[in-house]
Amino acid sequence: KAGVTQTPRYLIKTRGQQVTLSCSPISGHRSVSWYQQTPGQGLQFLFEYFSETQRNKGNFPGRFSGRQFSNSRSEMNVSTLELGDSALYLCASSLAWGGERAFFGQGTRLTVV
Amino acid sequence: SQQGEEDPQALSIQEGENATMNCSYKTSINNLQWYRQNSGRGLVHLILIRSNEREKHSGRLRVTLDTSKKSSSLLITASRAADTASYFCATDAQGGSEKLVFGKGMKLTVNP
Repeated sequence: KAGVTQTPRYLIKTRGQQVTLSCSPISGHRSVSWYQQTPGQGLQFLFEYFSETQRNKGNFPGRFSGRQFSNSRSEMNVSTLELGDSALYLCASSLAWGGERAFFGQGTRLTVV
Repeated sequence: SQQGEEDPQALSIQEGENATMNCSYKTSINNLQWYRQNSGRGLVHLILIRSNEREKHSGRLRVTLDTSKKSSSLLITASRAADTASYFCATDAQGGSEKLVFGKGMKLTVNP
């Protein structure tokens, strides 16, 4: 069974631009969560989707948004990028909403210059 | 918001030794999980322990949970160089809006 796939793996963007990251969950998993990891703040929850609906949202500004498609694939978008958005963005999938064991992708390393 | 706090923040040991890391959290939980992360890569799920469990084993891993003290420990026995990684505890806070709340992590180095 293929694992969680995140694309792209690396990305360099300029301040003010926007970016879209993609996550394909494990086949059959319907819940997708996104996390931001930085050296200063650690791992922080961004949002969770289940059956195309956002179920939970972390404490991030509105520049961070996401969506989930009918095939459970998810995208997250960050608009008006700031230097502080440089981070490793991790996607996790689990079988059901509130599912306990989360399987993580390798992440997308975003660098904002 | 960071709920889990791993202790120590860094640990360096020799191959074959045991490694113990501790995690403390603040609010009531449904379960607590431990993850491993190799440098800059994704998280690998190690073990999950439910709030009504006190101890769990998986291979060379042993996890304990003390809900009265709001703490957990992860023991890795007979460590190997391949165990070198960062280790995180994560909780799902009861009634909270966040799915998993991670600690800041602990860097384990196993020297061959």
